[in-house]
Amino acid sequence: GQQVMQIPQYQHVQEGEDFTTYCNSSTTLSNIQWYKQRPGGHPVFLIQLVKSGEVKKQKRLTFQFGEAKKNSSLHITATQTTDVGTYFCAGPNAGNNRKLIWGLGTSLAVNP
Amino acid sequence: DAGVIQSPRHEVTEMGQEVTLRCKPISGHNSLFWYRQTMMRGLELLIYFNNNVPIDDSGMPEDRFSAKMPNASFSTLKIQPSEPRDSAVYFCASSFLAKLSNQPQHFGDGTRLSIL
Repeated sequence: GQQVMQIPQYQHVQEGEDFTTYCNSSTTLSNIQWYKQRPGGHPVFLIQLVKSGEVKKQKRLTFQFGEAKKNSSLHITATQTTDVGTYFCAGPNAGNNRKLIWGLGTSLAVNP
Repeated sequence: DAGVIQSPRHEVTEMGQEVTLRCKPISGHNSLFWYRQTMMRGLELLIYFNNNVPIDDSGMPEDRFSAKMPNASFSTLKIQPSEPRDSAVYFCASSFLAKLSNQPQHFGDGTRLSIL
């Protein structure tokens, strides 16, 4: 079945270092969404990418959608302790675009 | 504006008991999703409703699980009888879904369920 895979599963960085998580879909996606879940919290929507090759920035976060619309990445520049959490990507199900297929997430730990 | 409201926040109960989780979606949203989150399996969609009608319940693990949405502002997820393997965090999320577009899903704080 359709799958969304994320790597790495875990990442541990020193505060100030950069961080990147990658998302790969087994199928072409019409769009991709990114969420962040703080420890003990709930997923919170960050952004949606729709266009092939799209790049969007939110302060220190840069999101990219691949040309083939099968992969995406989230890059954080100069991580801060407030960036700690799990970052999920999710794409619509090919047969029913109202359902999202979720990656397992990348958990980011930041050493102060 | 009020977000998605779930209750209870925590539930600890013994195996075999009935468990009912509750959710109030964001006003104006037409779709509601129930998810289960575990370390091993991540976020799993159990069921979703559109305009109060269950559309896809293929993620419901077995007949012990049932969900209802009697009106646009309330939904329940019931487990009867509960088993230890049902222990997880259960999230409710709501969204406004148009025919051709995905809108962000807004999650509640979740119910942390422990079955002893």
